[in-house]
Amino acid sequence: DQQVKQNSPSLSVQEGRISILNCDYTNSMFDYFLWYKKYPAEGPTFLISISSIKDKNEDGRFTVFLNKSAKHLSLHIVPSQPGDSAVYFCAATPYNQGGKLIFGQGTELSVKP
Amino acid sequence: EPEVTQTPSHQVTQMGQEVILRCVPISNHLYFYWYRQILGQKVEFLVSFYNNEISEKSEIFDDQFSVERPDGSNFTLKIRSTKLEDSAMYFCASNEVVRGYTFGSGTRLTVV
Repeated sequence: DQQVKQNSPSLSVQEGRISILNCDYTNSMFDYFLWYKKYPAEGPTFLISISSIKDKNEDGRFTVFLNKSAKHLSLHIVPSQPGDSAVYFCAATPYNQGGKLIFGQGTELSVKP
Repeated sequence: EPEVTQTPSHQVTQMGQEVILRCVPISNHLYFYWYRQILGQKVEFLVSFYNNEISEKSEIFDDQFSVERPDGSNFTLKIRSTKLEDSAMYFCASNEVVRGYTFGSGTRLTVV
């Protein structure tokens, strides 16, 4: 059951450049999407979210884009910093009031100085 | 910043033994969850809890699993008879409406 897919297991980017992490979903009932960052031996840390009524949400260096027709979302980090190196998980839920999250497999981002 | 606290950070148990994983969610949150991540795999939903009862559970959450909120602050996950395949990181999370979930740092369960 892969309702949320992150097809790139890893991404390597130079410091200062843009990191683009991609996520696809299949369930049209999803209407709220979240990105989490995870370091080894720690829990996922919430980064940014977007409701299906929007196509873009920005918070500092992080921007999430949602293309509902393509069932695709992406996380842009600009400029990338070495401290951004972590595993990034995309997650989706059919409602934003207490619903379970369906996670993608994660993309390991490595930002090189 | 408020945190979700999980104890212990690492638990080793023998196959067939019962384990209880403990969590203290953020105090004003209303929804509580358990997720797990088997090494190298995705984070998987186990169960959600609202208003003192289970609101949703996955097919993983079989009769061997139970959750409880024994007092106003703790939220526990019990595995009655552990199996080798229960070895994983278990994450507790709590949710405030409209915002992203806050996850605890996890309990690494090792079943030997």
